[in-house]
Amino acid sequence: DGGITQSPKYLFRKEGQNVTLSCEQNLNHDAMYWYRQDPGQGLRLIYYSQIVNDFQKGDIAEGYSVSREKKESFPLTVTSAQKNPTAFYLCASSPTGVSDEQFFGPGTRLTVL
Amino acid sequence: AQSVTQLGSHVSVSEGALVLLRCNYSSSVPPYLFWYVQYPNQGLQLLLKYTSAATLVKGINGFEAEFKKSETSFHLTKPSAHMSDAAEYFCAVSDVGTGGFKTIFGAGTRLFVKA
Repeated sequence: DGGITQSPKYLFRKEGQNVTLSCEQNLNHDAMYWYRQDPGQGLRLIYYSQIVNDFQKGDIAEGYSVSREKKESFPLTVTSAQKNPTAFYLCASSPTGVSDEQFFGPGTRLTVL
Repeated sequence: AQSVTQLGSHVSVSEGALVLLRCNYSSSVPPYLFWYVQYPNQGLQLLLKYTSAATLVKGINGFEAEFKKSETSFHLTKPSAHMSDAAEYFCAVSDVGTGGFKTIFGAGTRLFVKA
């Protein structure tokens, strides 16, 4: 089955530690995205990539970093510089194109203690 | 600049009643519009999308939405609510700007269905 996988589903970290969230897709999509979701705020774009080895900052990139070394993988690192990292993180992909819908993974809930 | 406004963060209906979730957008160019649904602790999945082929768009699970350019609206409806429709719904707009295309999501509307 084609789709997007995110791991782990739940993640706990101590304050001050960096943590990397995994996102893998086998849909052969060019574009991939990371969103942060907080209650009542909808989805906010962190980073996106429209092609391998290239990515752009979204609206709330501070304290996050990404890489896109392979078409199918787009890991997100939440660094210690992120002031309030506890949130639900969603990864998505799309074929690329303004009319294309995004396909979402199941999400990772990060809790920083 | 693009924007999406979903009127009402929470909507409650009785089972069997009409569902109406409101979405208004702004876009400087003809937009592409989407409705997504999210069940608790899951990712979003597409309900339907408007890409200018027809103003009335039918989606999955009996939902449909009508694009009204004069009102800059794309409201989501379902004639008869089912308990399984309880979820959060997001409207999104995508268009092309100087920096390429961009998709903006609304803040979401949580639908409650009463037995």
